[in-house]
Amino acid sequence: DAGITQSPRHKVTETGTPVTLRCHQTENHRYMYWYRQDPGHGLRLIHYSYGVKDTDKGEVSDGYSVSRSKTEDFLLTLESATSSQTSVYFCAISGGQGNGNYGYTFGSGTRLTVV
Amino acid sequence: QQQVKQSPQSLIVQKGGISIINCAYENTAFDYFPWYQQFPGKGPALLIAIRPDVSEKKEGRFTISFNKSAKQFSLHIMDSQPGDSATYFCAASIVGATNKLIFGTGTLLAVQP
Repeated sequence: DAGITQSPRHKVTETGTPVTLRCHQTENHRYMYWYRQDPGHGLRLIHYSYGVKDTDKGEVSDGYSVSRSKTEDFLLTLESATSSQTSVYFCAISGGQGNGNYGYTFGSGTRLTVV
Repeated sequence: QQQVKQSPQSLIVQKGGISIINCAYENTAFDYFPWYQQFPGKGPALLIAIRPDVSEKKEGRFTISFNKSAKQFSLHIMDSQPGDSATYFCAASIVGATNKLIFGTGTLLAVQP
């Protein structure tokens, strides 16, 4: 999607290994989010950021950490991957309040398989 | 109280028919209700959204109906087309905060030609 890219698009990793997913935006948006998508659960928020070095937990944050050292980059790290973390991960950006546009723009997703 | 409940889980509609997807929420602080459309292999894309100061919003063939007292909102797709076949997610957030969206579990819509 224009203005937001995720890498890698696909990854297979072994149980117990650390994994880092990257989200990069060119929109200069303040807010960035990481969601995971699983059948029957919809999209669930893992972590989000409201500015450089400002992050907070979502509803399914256990086993995940994030970092945002620059406005354009938001990294999601699985500290020690488990099979339950096999999922499709989406990054989203939002300009937030102030301009009346509260919608998210999502990336194309990263399909992660933990074996 | 943070949940958004979406139904049905799947829906099959004939071409030209009306598709209706429903969502319900508990948190009365929610004040932004978007719908997202997702095609296979793609990220969700914003389709239409409503604030609680209006009861209905229409954009082309897509309409959101909002019932504040019942804490329910729904998506109506008029004259459904095979190209509308996708997964639809409702969501809700409090825009005064960090605009964290809480999503429903999704509805897989299939429009048969």
